[in-house]
Amino acid sequence: AQTVTQSQPEMSVQEAETVTLSCTYDTSENNYYLFWYKQPPSRQMILVIRQEAYKQQNATENRFSVNFQKAAKSFSLKISDSQLGDTAMYFCAFISGGGADGLTFGKGTHLIIQP
Amino acid sequence: NAGVTQTPKFRVLKTGQSMTLLCAQDMNHEYMYWYRQDPGMGLRLIHYSVGEGTTAKGEVPDGYNVSRLKKQNFLLGLESAAPSQTSVYFCASSEDWSSYNSPLHFGNGTRLTVT
Repeated sequence: AQTVTQSQPEMSVQEAETVTLSCTYDTSENNYYLFWYKQPPSRQMILVIRQEAYKQQNATENRFSVNFQKAAKSFSLKISDSQLGDTAMYFCAFISGGGADGLTFGKGTHLIIQP
Repeated sequence: NAGVTQTPKFRVLKTGQSMTLLCAQDMNHEYMYWYRQDPGMGLRLIHYSVGEGTTAKGEVPDGYNVSRLKKQNFLLGLESAAPSQTSVYFCASSEDWSSYNSPLHFGNGTRLTVT
């Protein structure tokens, strides 16, 4: 079974700073997909960014980027120029290329952006 | 276009009572999922469905049953509720099994309390 580990239960940074959230995963598969989801206090789940394991290039979406290290099985999320609206729970998620049995989520990191 | 709709939004049950949570999607998605979210535990997959008439167990299926008689609906049942089932329940759907090319759409969640 795949596992996803987020080692930072909570982080706090000042507005406009850059913050990196860590995520590691364990799998024996070679093809898989990785995601970061954001859950603000509204409880809505929002896709932030996604990465296919076969792609060497790190994914980028505006202020959000990832550092994908396949050999190390690491998938960290970098948020640049953090904003108050970035305050949320962030979940790393994984699905293997071998089946349609749903995403496996990490336990989450609570990110607080201080004014 | 409503997306994924969960009913009810809140519910309080006594131990031993039964109830059904309804998830409806209007996007003609094949894949549907039920997750539960507990503090410090992230989202854990209860059951999922890869198409009308099919269901399969996820990571934490005990105490729950599901049905997918119609493509647009995915029902989650609790036959005899227990306090350990107090949680927030999320339904999600996707057109793509990997949720990569077609992102996962989440409902807004159902907060269930079992006393």
